[in-house]
Order: sequence, then structure tokens, then C-alpha cells
Amino acid sequence: QVQLVQSGSELKKPGASVKVSCKASGYTSTSYALNWVRQAPGQGLEWMGWINTNTGSPTYAQGFRGRFVFSLDTSVTTTYLQIDSLKAEDSAIYYCATSPPRGAFDSWGQGTMVTVSS
Amino acid sequence: IVMTQSPDSLTVSLGERTTINCKSSQSVSNSSNNKKYLAWYQQKPGQPPKLLIYGASTRESGVPDRFSGSGSGTDFTLTISSLQAEDVAVYFCHQYYTTPWTFGQGTKVEIK
Repeated sequence: QVQLVQSGSELKKPGASVKVSCKASGYTSTSYALNWVRQAPGQGLEWMGWINTNTGSPTYAQGFRGRFVFSLDTSVTTTYLQIDSLKAEDSAIYYCATSPPRGAFDSWGQGTMVTVSS
Repeated sequence: IVMTQSPDSLTVSLGERTTINCKSSQSVSNSSNNKKYLAWYQQKPGQPPKLLIYGASTRESGVPDRFSGSGSGTDFTLTISSLQAEDVAVYFCHQYYTTPWTFGQGTKVEIK
């Protein structure tokens, strides 16, 4: 069973950047999608995009292009989400989740709460 | 694809049958391979979502058999045959037929 462990909560000021990590272990497939999902306080789930763990190629959903960057360090099986020029509306819990290239999200990280406040 | 769940919330007695509906704005089934690209998740307070059902009706390993999924095309249902106290949660449907993958708004299940 895949385990995903994310980095801890972050408190940032508007305009700053944040980098959230997601370390994977136990995945037997050589190619899977590592998805990022945002959940604003008390709200639903919003898919931000995914990164192909085989090629490192990212795909961003509309609304997450420009300030959001997915990256991969294969040597430590860790994927990163960087958010630049933070705004108050970026305050949310960010989850990483694995899936087959076109499949349900079968394992989830515990979530990382990012709070943007002056 | 817009996913719309109903109801938004429901209060059910222990042991009762619970049904949650999910409607997609276009079909998330592929008639050529008979696959349905619809999943259900359970999210308890302070926890990440947990996969319950994929392919509209296949239970994930370890999920109790009181949870079942059905449907095709644009209309899907999650049924809890006999509600238990530990089933209090928010349930989300999710289509992975076409990007952007999208989720329903969630249905909150509480005990009466």
C-alpha cells in the first residue's frame, strides 16, 4: 500500500512563496500520477493538476497556471508543490494523492494546511 | 464536467439505508470498453479523503460491504445498506473520464 507523507503546516504572508512536499513509499508501479488537490476551509475538493512520476511532466488545471509549480525529485521519491505570490485566497489544505494515469485517487497524503495572513 | 450531488446533507438513524446521488453534466461512461470513470470517497473530520468505490461499483480493498455503488452514463448512486456510527462523514463523487477531473460538492451524513 502506498504511503504519502506531506510536510507540515505553513503560515505565510501575502506575496511570499511556499513549497509543500509529498514523499511516497511503497508504490510498486513505475508510472503513476501524483495529483494535487486543494480544499479551502469548509469547502469541497478541487483538482489542481498532476505530475507524471515517470517523466516528471506536469499538467495544470485551469486556474492553477502561472503561480503554481509541480516538481519531482526522483532520488528521494518526493514531489513538490510551490505556490508563488501567495494570496489570502490560497489559504487551504493541500493534498497529494496517487492514481493510475487515468484512475481514482487511491492513496492520499495527510494534507498540508497553508495559511496566508498578514 | 460538473458533478452535482444530492442531497447536500442527510440525517439517518443507525442501521438505516442511506442513498447519495451524483449526476454528471455529461456521460462519464465509455460504451466501447464498458468502463465507468466514477469514484466515491469518504472524508471524516480532520482526515484526508479515503477511496471507497471506483469504476462506479468496485469496492476498494478493505471497504466494508455495506458500501455499494451503482449507475452509468450520467447518474450514479452510493448506498450504505445499514448506517454505522463510524460512517458519519462527508462523501464525494469524482469523475476521472476527462480532465479537469472534478468532484461533487459533497454530501454530509449525520446520525439522527
